[in-house]
Amino acid sequence: GAGVSQSPSNKVTEKGKDVELRCDPISGHTALYWYRQSLGQGLEFLIYFQGNSAPDKSGLPSDRFSAERTGGSVSTLTIQRTQQEDSAVYLCASSWTENEKLFFGSGTQLSVL
Amino acid sequence: RKEVEQDPGPFNVPEGATVAFNCTYSNSASQSFFWYRQDCRKEPKLLMSVYSSGNEDGRFTAQLNRASQYISLLIRDSKLSDSATYLCVVNGATSGTYKYIFGTGTRLKVLA
Repeated sequence: GAGVSQSPSNKVTEKGKDVELRCDPISGHTALYWYRQSLGQGLEFLIYFQGNSAPDKSGLPSDRFSAERTGGSVSTLTIQRTQQEDSAVYLCASSWTENEKLFFGSGTQLSVL
Repeated sequence: RKEVEQDPGPFNVPEGATVAFNCTYSNSASQSFFWYRQDCRKEPKLLMSVYSSGNEDGRFTAQLNRASQYISLLIRDSKLSDSATYLCVVNGATSGTYKYIFGTGTRLKVLA
């Protein structure tokens, strides 16, 4: 079966532009997570969804970051007015439910020039 | 104190060696525990879940000590292909949320 799919795989943008990152979880997985990983650093939690609700969005760095999930499936992470410090790999993961093992997509490499 | 702490390494070991990693977590209410492996510039991949009774998968053994709040990973007969960063992951590390907290990882290099 298909794994977690993320698009685009690479995104280069100019400072100040908005970007949208997409995640398509494994079919049937109710929990969906977004993480960020800067070069040489660990995974930084951003937000997670159970169904379409976000029980924990404590990791979003600023109000420029938002995420939504519709139909209990696809999720979009939006970064408005991108800054150079937003450059990182954005990883999405899903699991059958909260507290189960996570399966990751291959990530979106975001570069803000 | 970090919620999940790991020795960053690197651990440089010869092929065939046995190597062990530890990880400590701060919240005693944490509910589930995992080891993930991450190769350079790739996404993390699940290595194994960690259970209170301990569990083994081939050359890999994981243990959980709830009283001391640490988990361990033992790799026997190391292979060159085991070279990677090993991530300790704890879920429910903060009460009331099921977010997964990742340690910063321990780098392993297996040398020929």
